Amino acid sequence: QQQVKQSPQSLIVQKGGISIINCAYENTAFDYFPWYQQFPGKGPALLIAIRPDVSEKKEGRFTISFNKSAKQFSLHIMDSQPGDSATYFCAASSQGAQKLVFGQGTRLTINP
Amino acid sequence: DAGVIQSPRHEVTEMGQEVTLRCKPISGHDYLFWYRQTMMRGLELLIYFNNNVPIDDSGMPEDRFSAKMPNASFSTLKIQPSEPRDSAVYFCASRLTGNQPQHFGDGTRLSIL
Repeated sequence: QQQVKQSPQSLIVQKGGISIINCAYENTAFDYFPWYQQFPGKGPALLIAIRPDVSEKKEGRFTISFNKSAKQFSLHIMDSQPGDSATYFCAASSQGAQKLVFGQGTRLTINP
Repeated sequence: DAGVIQSPRHEVTEMGQEVTLRCKPISGHDYLFWYRQTMMRGLELLIYFNNNVPIDDSGMPEDRFSAKMPNASFSTLKIQPSEPRDSAVYFCASRLTGNQPQHFGDGTRLSIL
């Protein structure tokens, strides 16, 4: 019940395309859903986060869509760029983001 | 603006040796987290502290692992004795109280031969 399932494991998108990564969870107590971006040799860095009182949050080219009834959320990267090539992790937690449960990660490659 | 600082960045040692990983959180942050990242298991939370006090160590895999936070600006994760299956990247993260994100260091890549 503590798991967060992420798909796909890897994704290749052409420059300018839309990258979509999906996550699903079981624990209905989760109330904080961040996405992290990780480059090789670096730690994960917060990209964007959402709470379940809204269905969508947009920051620049990055959008989180949240479906509370389906217990799913997704990351959309519009106009994908080669610099977006990285590993992306979804995560979830309850009670103020103390204990994050991470998805398995998606390795995104943007071809120029 | 200094982020979370971890040392060493790389550690290679032989099985059975003691390994100590170090972390300096962002100044003023009152939560500190230790994670382990492997290909097989992804990112796993090992332990976290609040105001230097361990709150949840349920992710610590075995008694060979121990973590301390003697003050607000320093924490260690120790493995004794180390085993090859401990090889992983270990991350430290810190955050402020409230709805604030966790900030990660760049990790220590540990290889146990």
